[in-house]
Amino acid sequence: EVQLVESGGGLVQPGGSLRLSCVASGFTFSNHWMQWVRQAPGKGLVWVSRVSSDGGNTKYADAVKGRFTISRDNAKNTLYLQMNSLRAEDTAVYYCARIGIVAGISAAGGPFDYWGQGTLVTVSS
Amino acid sequence: DIVMTQSPLSLPVTPGEPASISCRSSQSLLYSDGHHYLDWYLQKPGQSPQLLIYLASDRASGVPDRFSGSGSGTDFTLTISRVEAEDVGVYYCMQALQAPRTFGQGTKVEIK
Repeated sequence: EVQLVESGGGLVQPGGSLRLSCVASGFTFSNHWMQWVRQAPGKGLVWVSRVSSDGGNTKYADAVKGRFTISRDNAKNTLYLQMNSLRAEDTAVYYCARIGIVAGISAAGGPFDYWGQGTLVTVSS
Repeated sequence: DIVMTQSPLSLPVTPGEPASISCRSSQSLLYSDGHHYLDWYLQKPGQSPQLLIYLASDRASGVPDRFSGSGSGTDFTLTISRVEAEDVGVYYCMQALQAPRTFGQGTKVEIK
C-alpha cells in the first residue's frame, strides 16, 4: 500500500524556519518525481514545488522562490521542504504528493496519484 | 502561468441525477504527444485530495465509472452520471502541461 506521511509542521514566528518531511512507503520512491502542494485555511490548492526522481531538477512557485528548498533522500525514502523567512501568508496545510508514472508521457507530466494527509504550518507572532 | 477557471463554484445536486463541472484554461492544454494535460481531483470533507481523472479523460485506478472526463483544447468537463451522497466535496481541475502547475478555484458539490 502506497503511503506518504508528512511531519514537521507547527507554529513558527514570522521570519522563522521549518523543515517538513514526507516519508514514503509501499512503492519505489526513487522512481517518482515528487511535489509539495499547500492549502491555506478555507482556500484552494496551490502548487509549491517539485523535484525530479534523482533530485537534480527542481522548480518552485514564484511565491516561495528563494525562501523554500525542496530536496529528497532516496536512501531514506524521504522528501523534504526547507522553509526559511516564513511569512503569515505561508500559513497552510502542506501536502506531499507523488507524480504517477503514465506510459507514453514524460515523468514530470503525470498526475498526482497519491497524497499525504498533510501537515499544518502556522506562521504567527 | 496558465490560468484555470471553473464553473460553477457551487453545485447543489440531487442523488441519482447527473452533474457536470466545467474547467477552462487560458491556453491550450494539448501537447505535441497528442495528450491533453488536464487532471481532476476531489477533496472530500476533512480529507486530502484524491485523483479522479488524468490526461482529460483517463479514469484513475479505483474511481467509479460514473465519473468521466471530456474536452479538448481549452475547455474540459467532469461529468458524474448519477450522483451519490459520497461524491460531496470540492472538485478541482489542474493543468499538468507546464510548471507551475495551476489549479482551478474549486467547485463545491453538496446534496440538495
